[in-house]
Amino acid sequence: AQSVSQHNHHVILSEAASLELGCNYSYGGTVNLFWYVQYPGQHLQLLLKYFSGDPLVKGIKGFEAEFIKSKFSFNLRKPSVQWSATAEYFCAVSESGGGADGLTFGKGTHLIIQP
Amino acid sequence: DAGVIQSPRHEVTEMGQEVTLRCKPISGHNSLFWYRQTMMRGLELLIYFNNNVPIDDSGMPEDRFSAKMPNASFSTLKIQPSEPRDSAVYFCASTDGGQPQHFGDGTRLSIL
Repeated sequence: AQSVSQHNHHVILSEAASLELGCNYSYGGTVNLFWYVQYPGQHLQLLLKYFSGDPLVKGIKGFEAEFIKSKFSFNLRKPSVQWSATAEYFCAVSESGGGADGLTFGKGTHLIIQP
Repeated sequence: DAGVIQSPRHEVTEMGQEVTLRCKPISGHNSLFWYRQTMMRGLELLIYFNNNVPIDDSGMPEDRFSAKMPNASFSTLKIQPSEPRDSAVYFCASTDGGQPQHFGDGTRLSIL
């Protein structure tokens, strides 16, 4: 069975700080990796995804993530965050190609950006 | 384009009552997923369908939970009888298999 670990449950940063949220997964086979964001009271929105190819993927809103297979990691990064980035961030993994299998989510990281 | 549509947005009911949550996937998507989100357990996959057929229901917590997908544009998740520990936000998601899942706005369920 897969599992996803997000190391930081709560992160507090000041505006303009750089962001890195950790994500590790446990599964030895081929995986698809995702980061979703959930703003308060809203549904999950896809930030970025990795299926194959270049391990450095760029998503919306200036986010990027790097897949490091040897470390089973898919950390989310952003060089400079704004107050509007305050939200819950979820890392997720699926086994097969394209997302037709269910997603296994991490517990989430609650990010708070202070003005 | 309309996204995944869930109803109701909020449901408050007393324990023991039957609860039915509804989902309309994005037109053309052939896979539908039900997730539950709680503070303690985070987001968990309950069940998913491919082409209206249930593929994996191992996440359904117990027999009180059931899900159906009678056609490509509609699915229900039913809890009977409901219990306070079922209180959560229930999300439906859909995909066409080659793309990431799109999530609905969720149903916030409170069982008193």
